[in-house]
Amino acid sequence: GESVGLHLPTLSVQEGDNSIINCAYSNSASDYFIWYKQESGKGPQFIIDIRSNMDKRQGQRVTVLLNKTVKHLSLQIAATQPGDSAVYFCAWNTGGSYIPTFGRGTSLIVHP
Amino acid sequence: EAGVTQFPSHSVIEKGQTVTLRCDPISGHDNLYWYRRVMGKEIKFLLHFVKESKQDESGMPNNRFLAERTGGTYSTLKVQPAELEDSGVYFCASSQDWANSPLHFGNGTRLTVT
Repeated sequence: GESVGLHLPTLSVQEGDNSIINCAYSNSASDYFIWYKQESGKGPQFIIDIRSNMDKRQGQRVTVLLNKTVKHLSLQIAATQPGDSAVYFCAWNTGGSYIPTFGRGTSLIVHP
Repeated sequence: EAGVTQFPSHSVIEKGQTVTLRCDPISGHDNLYWYRRVMGKEIKFLLHFVKESKQDESGMPNNRFLAERTGGTYSTLKVQPAELEDSGVYFCASSQDWANSPLHFGNGTRLTVT
């Protein structure tokens, strides 16, 4: 498995900036991808998902991009707000298993 | 609709003691999952129920962990005897569909074993 430590990757941005959070997944057979947001003291909350037959999907202020060639997923947040501060996890299913596997997580800090 | 609820929110126990965590999924969700996050690392899968049946328990770390879902409604996860490395946050999630749909998570139970 991947090497992880106690400290999450951190992205620090100013309010109003656009944020891009990246995720590398490990299984080329993955066909469904999800982004979750976890605020302190709460469980992960669904933000947006994308299937492998798409390379881009937009929601409200969020866009997910999928690059299957390099097994990379990104979450773009437009006009980032202090309320967006949280840990963001990507997750992916595989073609053979429907159980979501979670990535390491990225801590987003938004400065007012 | 009510979300996934977990009880207790926090539990502090001594090594060697027993703890039972409870999860109430969203009503009508046949699929129930347990995950845990230890030492701030990734969120790791423990097991998956479909109704009352264990569909996949490949993530259960050892036989000190026992999960049940009698009647296919709420689920319990018992740790007996607890060890220091069991400390972490235990999340429960549920979903209506078994494949390729987002999970709805509870707020977790923070377990501290001293």
